[in-house]
Amino acid sequence: DTAVSQTPKYLVTQMGNDKSIKCEQNLGHDTMYWYKQDSKKFLKIMFSYNNKELIINETVPNRFSPKSPDKAHLNLHINSLELGDSAVYFCASSRLLAGGYEQYFGPGTRLTVT
Amino acid sequence: GIQVEQSPPDLILQEGANSTLRCNFSDSVNNLQWFHQNPWGQLINLFYIPSGTKQNGRLSATTVATERYSLLYISSSQTTDSGVYFCAVVERGNAGGTSYGKLTFGQGTILTVHP
Repeated sequence: DTAVSQTPKYLVTQMGNDKSIKCEQNLGHDTMYWYKQDSKKFLKIMFSYNNKELIINETVPNRFSPKSPDKAHLNLHINSLELGDSAVYFCASSRLLAGGYEQYFGPGTRLTVT
Repeated sequence: GIQVEQSPPDLILQEGANSTLRCNFSDSVNNLQWFHQNPWGQLINLFYIPSGTKQNGRLSATTVATERYSLLYISSSQTTDSGVYFCAVVERGNAGGTSYGKLTFGQGTILTVHP
């Protein structure tokens, strides 16, 4: 009965490779997010989708491309990986947040680029 | 954008002690959440508390929105309380006619509870 799930949990890859992280939520929420947590534990939003439409894109390099096939899924594809992309990536979901709804996070994907 | 500051940055306690963590924010908000990131990296929702006071077991939280701060109280701390505590507030915006909110996080308080 996992609410927000991500795969894989760990991802180790070499510079220059392309990789994807998948996220699914079974809460019936219409808004999903990707956050990045850096080595100093700082969490920052990257993208948000509402009902499959991109609504937030926070000055993220265009090597990062989110895709939402339906409102329960939000995947993150990263091209030409760089050392600086090493971080923990969290997916989250909520009902439309403007009204002030609680946000729920997945377990995170630890990406290590060597 | 909204600035969120948490204090203290680090806190070391003996098991059984009480503590108060503070979150200040620079603008009015209509949503504030507290999270605990455990040593395994999971972000656990503690409270959704735009205003007022809520209690859940040994934890309670108070948000005074008019004065732009929130407090998280941990009583009778246990070693399992160790980890990083984050507060996060919503910044509201509009994209192509769709209203949205995005969470802006504080830098966290690292809590270590010793047995």
